[in-house]
Amino acid sequence: KNQVEQSPQSLIILEGKNCTLQCNYTVSPFSNLRWYKQDTGRGPVSLTIMTFSENTKSNGRYTATLDADTKQSSLHITASQLSDSASYICVVIPGDYKYIFGTGTRLKVLA
Amino acid sequence: GAGVSQSPSNKVTEKGKDVELRCDPISGHTALYWYRQSLGQGLEFLIYFQGNSAPDKSGLPSDRFSAERTGGSVSTLTIQRTQQEDSAVYLCASSLDRVNYGYTFGSGTRLTVV
Repeated sequence: KNQVEQSPQSLIILEGKNCTLQCNYTVSPFSNLRWYKQDTGRGPVSLTIMTFSENTKSNGRYTATLDADTKQSSLHITASQLSDSASYICVVIPGDYKYIFGTGTRLKVLA
Repeated sequence: GAGVSQSPSNKVTEKGKDVELRCDPISGHTALYWYRQSLGQGLEFLIYFQGNSAPDKSGLPSDRFSAERTGGSVSTLTIQRTQQEDSAVYLCASSLDRVNYGYTFGSGTRLTVV
C-alpha cells in the first residue's frame, strides 16, 4: 500500500532555532517528492520539488533532502521565524496525478 | 484569476441537507482536483478532471458525492444528504498538466454538518 508517514506529528521550537522534519514513504513507483507548507485556513503551498536523482534542494531557509534508497526525506528549517508556524506536508508523486499526502507535521514557533 | 478561488470559505449545514462547493481554477489550467482534509488526516483524493476527458471519480466516498466541471473551467462539488462525517475542509487544486507542474491549491471550504 502506498503510504507517506511523517514525524513528529507536532513540534514546538523557539524563534531562531533550527528543526528537522522527517518523511518516510513506501510509494512505488516514484516520480518526485514535494514538501508543502500549509498555513492555518489556507491551501498548501509548494516549498520544494525533488526527483529521485536529487539528494538535496533548498528554498531560502528551507532545505529538503531525499534518500531514494531508504525512501526517506527530511525538511530542515534554519533560523526559524514566527511565520514558519504552519503544517508541513510531505507529498510523494508516484507518476500519475494522484499525489500521496502525508498527514503533516504541525510546527509552532514561539517568540 | 491569479489563484484558485473557492467558495464559500465556510459552510455550516444541517444533517440531511445538500451543499454545493465551488472551485474556480487558474485560467488555462487543464487539470482540476478535489481533495478532502479531515481533522488530523492527510489529504484524501476525491476526483480529478483533465481537459475534456472523463473524470476520475475513484476517490468519491459514496454516491452522495458528485462533481462536475463546466466548460473546462469552474467546478462544483455537490454533497447530497450531508452526514456529520462529511465535515471537513474541501480543497480544490489546479495544474497545467497531470504531473510535471505542481498543484496550486485554493484556500478550501470548511464544511461543518450539524
